[in-house]
Amino acid sequence: GAVVSQHPSWVICKSGTSVKIECRSLDFQATTMFWYRQFPKQSLMLMATSNEGSKATYEQGVEKDKFLINHASLTLSTLTVTSAHPEDSSFYICSARERGTSGNKAGELFFGEGSRLTVL
Amino acid sequence: GENVEQHPSTLSVQEGDSAVIKCTYSDSASNYFPWYKQELGKRPQLIIDIRSNVGEKKDQRIAVTLNKTAKHFSLHITETQPEDSAVYFCAASITFGNEKLTFGTGTRLTIIP
Repeated sequence: GAVVSQHPSWVICKSGTSVKIECRSLDFQATTMFWYRQFPKQSLMLMATSNEGSKATYEQGVEKDKFLINHASLTLSTLTVTSAHPEDSSFYICSARERGTSGNKAGELFFGEGSRLTVL
Repeated sequence: GENVEQHPSTLSVQEGDSAVIKCTYSDSASNYFPWYKQELGKRPQLIIDIRSNVGEKKDQRIAVTLNKTAKHFSLHITETQPEDSAVYFCAASITFGNEKLTFGTGTRLTIIP
């Protein structure tokens, strides 16, 4: 199956610094990637939809200036948490949909391994 | 937007018994319903999915049913094994337009040996 890789898998940073998380589709092209955040023992909450070559679409309540998303190529999307604070500590997971899928493959998403961010 | 509710939040069953998890959705336009299994600290893994043109789908010990009229779908796991212990999430999306997945709140399934 399609592989999505995230890096780093875990990161610890000081409050006020910025952290960049990468999401790569390794063996397919992804026109759309999704960024989710998951707090302990909770569900995955969609933060934003990342479209290649255009601005990301953010969900209500997600600050676009704090969570910068760049989708510069068909295989890479990045999420930058700017001026991170302890409340930003969470598990961030990306997912990607293969370009051109339809029929029985329509809608299928492939998830990255997740990145655990801890802000001290 | 879409709202997906999932029950129960926790479920414990004896090894070998069956487990059933239920979800409801709000948007009648949703037409794709995947189920994910997530182990602690790991990525969600797709275990089965169903589309709105069928009412039931089965894959070995796992089956999913869909009632479009009532807008609910269920996951059935038979002959449960200890390795089935995990958190299970249902989700719903529309496979045209923005296609974003909306997840349920999750069910922590524990299989008692």
